[in-house]
Amino acid sequence: GAVVSQHPSWVICKSGTSVKIECRSLDFQATTMFWYRQFPKQSLMLMATSNEGSKATYEQGVEKDKFLINHASLTLSTLTVTSAHPEDSSFYICSARDPGRDTEAFFGQGTRLTVV
Amino acid sequence: KQEVTQIPAALSVPEGENLVLNCSFTDSAIYNLQWFRQDPGKGLTSLLLIQSSQREQTSGRLNASLDKSSGRSTLYIAASQPGDSATYLCAVRPHNAGNMLTFGGGTRLMVKP
Repeated sequence: GAVVSQHPSWVICKSGTSVKIECRSLDFQATTMFWYRQFPKQSLMLMATSNEGSKATYEQGVEKDKFLINHASLTLSTLTVTSAHPEDSSFYICSARDPGRDTEAFFGQGTRLTVV
Repeated sequence: KQEVTQIPAALSVPEGENLVLNCSFTDSAIYNLQWFRQDPGKGLTSLLLIQSSQREQTSGRLNASLDKSSGRSTLYIAASQPGDSATYLCAVRPHNAGNMLTFGGGTRLMVKP
């Protein structure tokens, strides 16, 4: 099956710093990737849709200047949390779309971000 | 706007019981519905995917049904085991979108030995 790898699996950073999270499709080319956020004991909420070679589409209420998304290649999308604050602490998880297997969503392992 | 609801939010059962998890969605115009398992602090493991034209899918002790017209899906787990303890999420893919999913709130399952 399609494999999506996310790195790092967890990160702790100081308030005010920036953190980059990578999402890679290992055995397919992903024209579209999706970034979700999950707060404790809550479900996943879509943050943005990342399209290779073009600007990301952000969901309402998600600050595009704070959550920078870059999808420069067909196998890599990155999410950068800029000037992180404790309220940004959450579980971030990406999903990639395999054009050859368009029916199913494939998810990365997730990244636990803790801002202190 | 699509809304997905899962009932119950939490469930605790003794080992060996058969159980049913429920998922409902407000907009029946879906492309497919997917059930996932999430262990604490971990990512998502896809369990079953049901296309909008299908009624059910089975994998081992798991069976998922879909009634698109009524906006409901159920996940049936037979002969539950402690290793089944996890959060179960259902998610629907809209007909007119890419692969973005709308998730339910999940059911936290605890199977006691």
